[in-house]
Amino acid sequence: ILNVEQSPQSLHVQEGDSTNFTCSFPSSNFYALHWYRWETAKSPEALFVMTLNGDEKKKGRISATLNTKEGYSYLYIKGSQPEDSATYLCASINTGGFKTIFGAGTRLFVKA
Amino acid sequence: NAGVMQNPRHLVRRRGQEARLRCSPMKGHSHVYWYRQLPEEGLKFMVYLQKENIIDESGMPKERFSAEFPKEGPSILRIQQVVRGDSAAYFCASSILGGSDTQYFGPGTRLTVL
Repeated sequence: ILNVEQSPQSLHVQEGDSTNFTCSFPSSNFYALHWYRWETAKSPEALFVMTLNGDEKKKGRISATLNTKEGYSYLYIKGSQPEDSATYLCASINTGGFKTIFGAGTRLFVKA
Repeated sequence: NAGVMQNPRHLVRRRGQEARLRCSPMKGHSHVYWYRQLPEEGLKFMVYLQKENIIDESGMPKERFSAEFPKEGPSILRIQQVVRGDSAAYFCASSILGGSDTQYFGPGTRLTVL
């Protein structure tokens, strides 16, 4: 994998559903992975920074895992609420210059 | 502690003019990143700067674009002789330590080239 890829591109769920998204990134020269939440008309807001293989982070109903050997991270949202509707971005940073590469994002729509 | 400030929020330029976009990082942050979001596309890395130094500019177009982060004052992204394809939202982010440190984003500057 040469780029950061996210799937699915968009997701429609009902309030109360739990959901998860995938971020795939280059595993060579890996340094860190960031997850952001981006609401329309606002700035991206940092959710997690993950650096170690096997890392798990949690913030309220949102959690994330990291596998640096195979180059993927999962973001989980438990019991989705309408206010969770946003675009979720992941970004990979490598050791060559610390360039941050963003995925295209997963657009989540939570219906009440 | 004010967040990352960007100005102007909206900038309209005619083809051939210069555009100057300013980014004031959060207090205590000495690392600044610039990103561009073209219509219907995601965020693309442009440049990473630390006070008075360019750390990585591999995402910057080779011509017409330059960035600086002086010892005093905001970071400036300068686009000379703008063309219609430069129309985009330009975001900056700042962090305390750089590297894997959390980046805090500004509200963006939306550049429209007529």
